Amino acid sequence: EPEVTQTPSHQVTQMGQEVILRCVPISNHLYFYWYRQILGQKVEFLVSFYNNEISEKSEIFDDQFSVERPDGSNFTLKIRSTKLEDSAMYFCASMKGVRETQYFGPGTRLLVL
Amino acid sequence: AQSVTQLGSHVSVSEGALVLLRCNYSSSVPPYLFWYVQYPNQGLQLLLKYTTGATLVKGINGFEAEFKKSETSFHLTKPSAHMSDAAEYFCAVSDVFGNEKLTFGTGTRLTIIP
Repeated sequence: EPEVTQTPSHQVTQMGQEVILRCVPISNHLYFYWYRQILGQKVEFLVSFYNNEISEKSEIFDDQFSVERPDGSNFTLKIRSTKLEDSAMYFCASMKGVRETQYFGPGTRLLVL
Repeated sequence: AQSVTQLGSHVSVSEGALVLLRCNYSSSVPPYLFWYVQYPNQGLQLLLKYTTGATLVKGINGFEAEFKKSETSFHLTKPSAHMSDAAEYFCAVSDVFGNEKLTFGTGTRLTIIP
């Protein structure tokens, strides 16, 4: 069964460094999302992406964040200059079409020191 | 704006007992509702969803949920708990007339007592 994959599973970085989190959505899906879950808290929406552009972003998704679909298969989240409070589990999700189910990847645990 | 409230951050039930996890939502439009499960160190897996039609929805692993519009609730139940049900459960509502982002509740950690 097709699934969403994410790499790396864990990443440790120093404050101020750039990180890129990678996701491979399910191949025929058209809608892509990033969510994050700070330890012990609920899952929060970051950004949605459709037709090669951001369709919605949350207040969390400030100028330090960017997303890209560089090659038609990968979907990346870049944090330009990481802060301690960016430490969280980041989930990618994809959806085939409107009113369908979002399928989540296993997540990338980011730790900013 | 949509929101989800899950009553009870921790629920413990004995193996074989009824599981009831509560979820109430707020939405200005007819909602699409979801239950996701998260096992330790894993991602989110869809248990079941309500879109339209029958208000009692059956999902995987013997779980079901009933959409009650009058109570704005979507509680998750399972008649008989199994040890493997121990996990964190998240209720979510979808913004179906927007970009369909999911708004999650704070989650309920289910512990099964042998």
